[in-house]
Amino acid sequence: EIVLTQSPGTLSLSPGERATLSCRASQSFDSINLAWLQQRPGQAPRLLISGASNRATGIPDRFSGSGSGTDFTLTISSLEPEDFALYYCQHYGSSPPLYTFGQGTRLQIK
Amino acid sequence: QVQLQESGPGLVKPSETLSLTCAVSGGSISSNHWWSWIRQPPGEGLEWIGEIHHTGSTNYNPSLRSRVTISVDKSANQFSLKLTSITAADTAMYYCVRQFDYWGQGTLVTVSS
Repeated sequence: EIVLTQSPGTLSLSPGERATLSCRASQSFDSINLAWLQQRPGQAPRLLISGASNRATGIPDRFSGSGSGTDFTLTISSLEPEDFALYYCQHYGSSPPLYTFGQGTRLQIK
Repeated sequence: QVQLQESGPGLVKPSETLSLTCAVSGGSISSNHWWSWIRQPPGEGLEWIGEIHHTGSTNYNPSLRSRVTISVDKSANQFSLKLTSITAADTAMYYCVRQFDYWGQGTLVTVSS
């Protein structure tokens, strides 16, 4: 089972700033199997990015994903107030089928 | 717009079986998607429980496999979760999800006598 480690645990930034969130895997895998989710307080998570870099429907272009192998990054180019939330990276493994999540990065207002 | 709605008891006694249902609207459960259950204990992260395809094929998290059954009811356009031998560690928000692009609002299940 692949273990995902997200850093930092908490990121304190101001609106308008750039956010860079990291997700590191315990072993290399195909980037098609990496996704990013956002969870606002009191809400269900929502899909931001699939396949490491493909924005989901309706996701603003200030969100971008990159990376390969064991190191993946979610970047928010200019923070809006609604972006302060929890972010999870997620891996899909096919042998056997298993979805695993990082422990999350909390993005909070500075 | 696909919508998912979880339903089931909010309080379950230890050792009993948790049963939840997810009603799908705005789309067919017979579409070529996988339908998952995911849970989140209060203040903690996400855990994938398992998934089902309308063909009946299932995949389960190995950590829960011995206690989990996910089934589909195509006529009712819904799928269900059964989790046996419940303990306090199963207290969580339970979400039903279509292939991670559509999520239900979640239902909080508390395990307590």
